[in-house]
Amino acid sequence: RKEVEQDPGPFNVPEGATVAFNCTYSNSASQSFFWYRQDCRKEPKLLMSVYSSGNEDGRFTAQLNRASQYISLLIRDSKLSDSATYLCVVNIDVRVTGGGNKLTFGTGTQLKVEL
Amino acid sequence: GAVVSQHPSWVICKSGTSVKIECRSLDFQATTMFWYRQFPKQSLMLMATSNEGSKATYEQGVEKDKFLINHASLTLSTLTVTSAHPEDSSFYICSGAQGPGNTIYFGEGSWLTVV
Repeated sequence: RKEVEQDPGPFNVPEGATVAFNCTYSNSASQSFFWYRQDCRKEPKLLMSVYSSGNEDGRFTAQLNRASQYISLLIRDSKLSDSATYLCVVNIDVRVTGGGNKLTFGTGTQLKVEL
Repeated sequence: GAVVSQHPSWVICKSGTSVKIECRSLDFQATTMFWYRQFPKQSLMLMATSNEGSKATYEQGVEKDKFLINHASLTLSTLTVTSAHPEDSSFYICSGAQGPGNTIYFGEGSWLTVV
């Protein structure tokens, strides 16, 4: 079983649609959670951190369910510029890794927003 | 935000030769740097973690004698792919952090093609 699992997509949605991505992780020692965005042939860029209380940044809302080891990302009113691959990323407790920030990436979910 | 500069962005080399990729933290001291590899349609896979002034820690399955990592200063880490083969063709990306628990910043990535 992969440490971080995501539906690879692609998700093809019309502009203005609401789309949700899901992610599950297997290591209960995971401490920090993130969504990254990766454009084609580019480096990943941090979109937002994910907290148990849920957090929102404009059109983006992230949720974490520790009991179910499940993370979600909701994008409202999607724009053409949102087309990218969205990576679910978890960080194991630094005490477990001996002090390092060991990010584990999902394979990503591809989003294509169309006119 | 902080910047990590990685170069070259693109490199084509002949099979059997060695290629060096540099990763520099421009406005912070990266005590820890990470090297990842990403094959098409796959997730970023951590290759190794390096701490300034010490030997890199390689992930299982990554040949340390083939992928030489040097982290001689707090602002520079290098990855040398020795005796490159076509199967080493991939997207290599570095990231740096000031320390455990700190935000991780990614370089722009390097596309390596071995012919």
